[in-house]
Amino acid sequence: SQQGEEDPQALSIQEGENATMNCSYKTSINNLQWYRQNSGRGLVHLILIRSNEREKHSGRLRVTLDTSKKSSSLLITASRAADTASYFCATALQGSARQLTFGSGTQLTVLP
Amino acid sequence: GAGVSQSPSNKVTEKGKDVELRCDPISGHTALYWYRQSLGQGLEFLIYFQGNSAPDKSGLPSDRFSAERTGGSVSTLTIQRTQQEDSAVYLCASSIKGATEAFFGQGTRLTVV
Repeated sequence: SQQGEEDPQALSIQEGENATMNCSYKTSINNLQWYRQNSGRGLVHLILIRSNEREKHSGRLRVTLDTSKKSSSLLITASRAADTASYFCATALQGSARQLTFGSGTQLTVLP
Repeated sequence: GAGVSQSPSNKVTEKGKDVELRCDPISGHTALYWYRQSLGQGLEFLIYFQGNSAPDKSGLPSDRFSAERTGGSVSTLTIQRTQQEDSAVYLCASSIKGATEAFFGQGTRLTVV
């Protein structure tokens, strides 16, 4: 099964509202990353949070990490129609220099 | 180039034919990943190259799939005797080293008819 699982699978909000997406994972991680994908093509890196960090901000993005619950959340504040995309979390496993494992994603729709 | 380049962008092939997908990573990136994404699904890990280490092939779905990375740079993913279930977008990504920010190409959309 997936190391990272996003929830909800789909989210629809009005422009200006905040969007919150969650990610749960199973094993100890080195870091957790969030990516965005438009139109089923290449993913774009948004933010990386290390296992010893609890919160990180980047512009309108806020990411939290709770390693005791093995979960992370991505908050997009004051959403815009252009934020409509799929959002994926990816985990880098602790003790491994290897691949990033992606979840199944949250499809966010921001209505104008 | 400035980013990860994948070719071709789209490929339509007949069932049973072999295909090769190419990935040019960002210069200097030692880590290179291949993922597969079916319509509306998440990313399925296929293979990971890191420097001169043996690649992690644990995600390859069958022995019809193979990949090479020549000279630590360009990578080719080969699918032999393609099947309809191989239809998907194949995404390549590279990073400075493993588990850091990954930069993705635009993918190759493979359609097996």
